[in-house]
Amino acid sequence: EAGVAQSPRYKIIEKRQSVAFWCNPISGHATLYWYQQILGQGPKLLIQFQNNGVVDDSQLPKDRFSAERLKGVDSTLKIQPAKLEDSAVYLCASSLATPSFYEQYFGPGTRLTVT
Amino acid sequence: AQSVSQHNHHVILSEAASLELGCNYSYGGTVNLFWYVQYPGQHLQLLLKYFSGDPLVKGIKGFEAEFIKSKFSFNLRKPSVQWSDTAEYFCAVNEPRDDKIIFGKGTRLHILP
Repeated sequence: EAGVAQSPRYKIIEKRQSVAFWCNPISGHATLYWYQQILGQGPKLLIQFQNNGVVDDSQLPKDRFSAERLKGVDSTLKIQPAKLEDSAVYLCASSLATPSFYEQYFGPGTRLTVT
Repeated sequence: AQSVSQHNHHVILSEAASLELGCNYSYGGTVNLFWYVQYPGQHLQLLLKYFSGDPLVKGIKGFEAEFIKSKFSFNLRKPSVQWSDTAEYFCAVNEPRDDKIIFGKGTRLHILP
C-alpha cells in the first residue's frame, strides 16, 4: 500500500514570500491532518479535514495560513506571507476515520526554512 | 487544555540496557494513549496504543507501555534495547470526544553499540 506523499521535501524562502505544500493521503482515507513540528517540539495540529470539510482548524493562524482539500483527496497548505517563526517541518497524516479509533499514517514531511 | 509531558528530552543507553521513557498527561477523564516513533530518516509511525482493557499494552519491536490511571502516566518500556532503537519517541493523548491528538515534545533516544 502506498503511503502518504508530500512535496516538496525541502523549501527555503525569504520572509514575506508565500509557499505551498501538497499532500496526497492513502487511498480511501477520509481524514487528513496537517501538523507543524518546530525543532525540539512534538507535532502540533494545524487543521483536520473529514473528506473535504474542516473538522478542526482552531490552531491554524488564519491570517497567513490556509488549507483546502478539494474533492476530499489531495490537500494543499499555503502560507502567505511567511514569517521567520514558520520555519518548521510540516507533516501531513491521514487515517480511515477519526483518530480515536484509527491509526494515523504520516508522510515524510516538508522542511521549511524561512530566512 | 490537555497537555502531555515527556520527562526526558535526550536519553543515551548502551545496548542491552533496559529502557523506560516517562509520559504524563493532564486530563482526568477517558483518554486514548499512543506512543509514536520516528527512526532517523523515516516517517513518524505508531509504536503502540491504549484504548481500553488491559493497561499493559504490547507494541512492535518488543516495546510495551503501562497505563496507570491514578498517576496519569503511560510510560514506555523495553527490557533490552538494541542499536536499531535509536530514534525519537513521542507520547500522545486523545480525548475521544475531541478527536484531536496532542503530542509531547519527544524524547531522543541514542543507543551506543
